[in-house]
Order: sequence, then structure tokens, then C-alpha cells
Amino acid sequence: GAVVSQHPSRVICKSGTSVKIECRSLDFQATTMFWYRQFPKQSLMLMATSNEGSKATYEQGVEKDKFLINHASLTLSTLTVTSAHPEDSSFYICSARQTQETQYFGPGTRLLVL
Amino acid sequence: GENVEQHPSTLSVQEGDSAVIKCTYSDSASNYFPWYKQELGKRPQLIIDIRSNVGEKKDQRIAVTLNKTAKHFSLHITETQPEDSAVYFCAATLSGSARQLTFGSGTQLTVLP
Repeated sequence: GAVVSQHPSRVICKSGTSVKIECRSLDFQATTMFWYRQFPKQSLMLMATSNEGSKATYEQGVEKDKFLINHASLTLSTLTVTSAHPEDSSFYICSARQTQETQYFGPGTRLLVL
Repeated sequence: GENVEQHPSTLSVQEGDSAVIKCTYSDSASNYFPWYKQELGKRPQLIIDIRSNVGEKKDQRIAVTLNKTAKHFSLHITETQPEDSAVYFCAATLSGSARQLTFGSGTQLTVLP
């Protein structure tokens, strides 16, 4: 089946620093990748849709200058949390769309901002 | 846009019993409905999906039913086992469009041994 990797799996950083999370589709090309945020015991909240070679589309309420998304190739999208604060601590999950409908998720990145 | 509601939020069943999780959607144009299973701290895994041209799909102990008229779909797990314990999410979208999946709020299933 389709495999999506995400790196790092967990990161602890100081407040004010930036953190980059990578999402890769390992065995297929993904023209579209999605970034989600998930709080404990809650559903997946879509942050943005990342299309290869074009600007990401952000959901309402998500600051594009704070959550920078780059989709440089058909197998890689990155999310950079800039000037991270404790309230940014969360579980960030990416997904990649293989066909026009099926999404496969990465293992997630647990971010803790001190 | 699409809105998906999922019930119940928590469900406990005895091992061997059946579990049913229900979802409703708002956009009649939606035609693809996947179900994901997420274990604690792990990624959501696609377990079954259904398209609007069929009313039911089965894969071993898991089945999904779809009622397009009523705009609801359900996940059925039979002969539940402790390893079925997880959070289950339903989702809906329009296949072939640029629309992303709209997820339900999730159901925490606990299978008691």
C-alpha cells in the first residue's frame, strides 16, 4: 500500500524558535498533500492543502505567515512552524493523496514548545 | 461546504459483540466515504471505504452501509476484539474534485475483554 513518512516524529523546542516538519510519499507521487493538526481526543483539523508547484491553500483561521508550507516536489511537502509558542504544541499529521480521493496519512509529529 | 456528524463519541462493547458507528453528511454531491482507524499516538489508517454507487461493502469483520437518500453511512464491526479498540473517524468528499476530506468528530471504541 501507499506509504507516507513524516520527520521528525517528535520535537521539543524553545519558544520563539522555528520548527520544520517533512512529509514524504515514499512509493507514489502526490500532487496534493494535506496538513492537519490534532489536539488530544479530538478530530483532525485541516490546516492547509499543499499542491506541488503552487501556493498552499490555508483554512480559515490558520495563519499562513506562521505555518509556512512548501511543496517542492511530488514526494515532499514541508511545514514550518515559525516563532513557535507553547500554544502551538500539538500533534501535526500530513497526508498525501494518491488517487483523486484516497488519502494516506503520515505517522505524525508531536511538537512540544517550552 | 460539507459537514459530517458522527455518533456516538464513545462506545464500549463486550468482546465478541458488534459495534455500530453512524455518520451523516450534508452535501448530497459527496460520493466517497472512507473510514479511518486511529490508535493512540499513531496515524489514521484507512480501513474501508464506500462509493455512492453501492449501498454496502464488506471486508471480513468490517462492513459499511450507505443510504444516499438519507445522507448517512455506518460502520459495522462484528465479533469485536480488544485490538479493535481505537478512535474511528468517518469522512466524506466529492471524488475527482479538489475538495479535501471532511472528517467526523471521531468515536472512541473500547472493546472490553
